[in-house]
Amino acid sequence: SQTIHQWPATLVQPVGSPLSLECTVEGTSNPNLYWYRQAAGRGLQLLFYSVGIGQISSEVPQNLSASRPQDRQFILSSKKLLLSDSGFYLCAWSAGMGSGNTIYFGEGSWLTVV
Amino acid sequence: RKEVEQDPGPFNVPEGATVAFNCTYSNSASQSFFWYRQDCRKEPKLLMSVYSSGNEDGRFTAQLNRASQYISLLIRDSKLSDSATYLCVVTGGATNKLIFGTGTLLAVQP
Repeated sequence: SQTIHQWPATLVQPVGSPLSLECTVEGTSNPNLYWYRQAAGRGLQLLFYSVGIGQISSEVPQNLSASRPQDRQFILSSKKLLLSDSGFYLCAWSAGMGSGNTIYFGEGSWLTVV
Repeated sequence: RKEVEQDPGPFNVPEGATVAFNCTYSNSASQSFFWYRQDCRKEPKLLMSVYSSGNEDGRFTAQLNRASQYISLLIRDSKLSDSATYLCVVTGGATNKLIFGTGTLLAVQP
């Protein structure tokens, strides 16, 4: 069966510090991968998605970047965090894009920028 | 207008009650619809897909009304363990990605 893991689960970072969140998927090949952010009291916002190694699409202009160095590895990064980057970050995967393709989430990473 | 809109709640209901949530979507070309459940400080998990003819899974019934562009979720005989946020999800946009509503909070009281 397929599993998805992301880490770290919780982190507190000062403004201006770098960020690296990592996500891996097991039990499937060539998944579509996603990074979402959920700010307090708001819905899930798609940040990035990837349909293959090295292929990254950004949904919103922001202070973050994503990379996919391996088929089942997805990394979310920032060089300098802002207070507004605080939130719940979720990695997810699906077998395809769009209609009929269920999306499965990792356990999430709570980021607090202080 | 938001692409997916839900009543944020909270819906406070007693155990055993029947509760219904609605969700409206703006893109008439949307093809797939889902309900996800999210417990406090946890990741969302798929509850059920929503099919055109409506579908049922135990105490949960999902309905789709394409003409009015809304989706509903009915929960019968509510349990304490049903307390969670329920997210409506619709495919949309040029690349047909999933778009999430902000969720409806359900609190089932003993």
